[in-house]
Amino acid sequence: GNSVTQMEGPVTLSEEAFLTINCTYTATGYPSLFWYVQYPGEGLQLLLKATKADDKGSNKGFEATYRKETTSFHLEKGSVQVSDSAVYFCALSGGGTSYGKLTFGQGTILTVHP
Amino acid sequence: DTEVTQTPKHLVMGMTNKKSLKCEQHMGHRAMYWYKQKAKKPPELMFVYSYEKLSINESVPSRFSPECPNSSLLNLHLHALQPEDSALYLCASSPLGRDSNQPQHFGDGTRLSIL
Repeated sequence: GNSVTQMEGPVTLSEEAFLTINCTYTATGYPSLFWYVQYPGEGLQLLLKATKADDKGSNKGFEATYRKETTSFHLEKGSVQVSDSAVYFCALSGGGTSYGKLTFGQGTILTVHP
Repeated sequence: DTEVTQTPKHLVMGMTNKKSLKCEQHMGHRAMYWYKQKAKKPPELMFVYSYEKLSINESVPSRFSPECPNSSLLNLHLHALQPEDSALYLCASSPLGRDSNQPQHFGDGTRLSIL
């Protein structure tokens, strides 16, 4: 079956540091890949997406590139802010998954200090 | 602002109570979902509705009863819940058809506490 593996957290950074959160996946076919962010006390928000190989998703300074050869979708940001403190989930849909199902990674807790 | 609206935001109930969670979306999505989420864990899928019909039930106990009255509304009826059912309940929606790999849009959830 499909699976998503995220780097273990929590991750603690100082403001303006560079961020990378690793995400690798296992799926058949051609899944769509997503990063969701969950701020304290809120639901999940779609941060960015990529639907085919070599697509780059970007939003709010975050970027991730769909790498089929390495089955990866790593999240990066050049300069984090305190307001980026949240839980980040990598997820995939399709790619042999039963219709309507999202497969999530375990989540990475990010804390950014001033 | 989220495009998926859930009410109530918080709910405290006893184990013998009956209550309902509500979810509404006006994006024209024909798939709607219920998830259960424990703190800092990924959401766990409970139910999927497509074209207002239940298509996936992830072996959820019968004390949770979903209902989809129309293409914009999704309810989750609760009865005789257990303390371990305390969690954040999230609703989501997404397109169907050739857009079925498009992202799901989540509401802010209902935080449920069982006394």
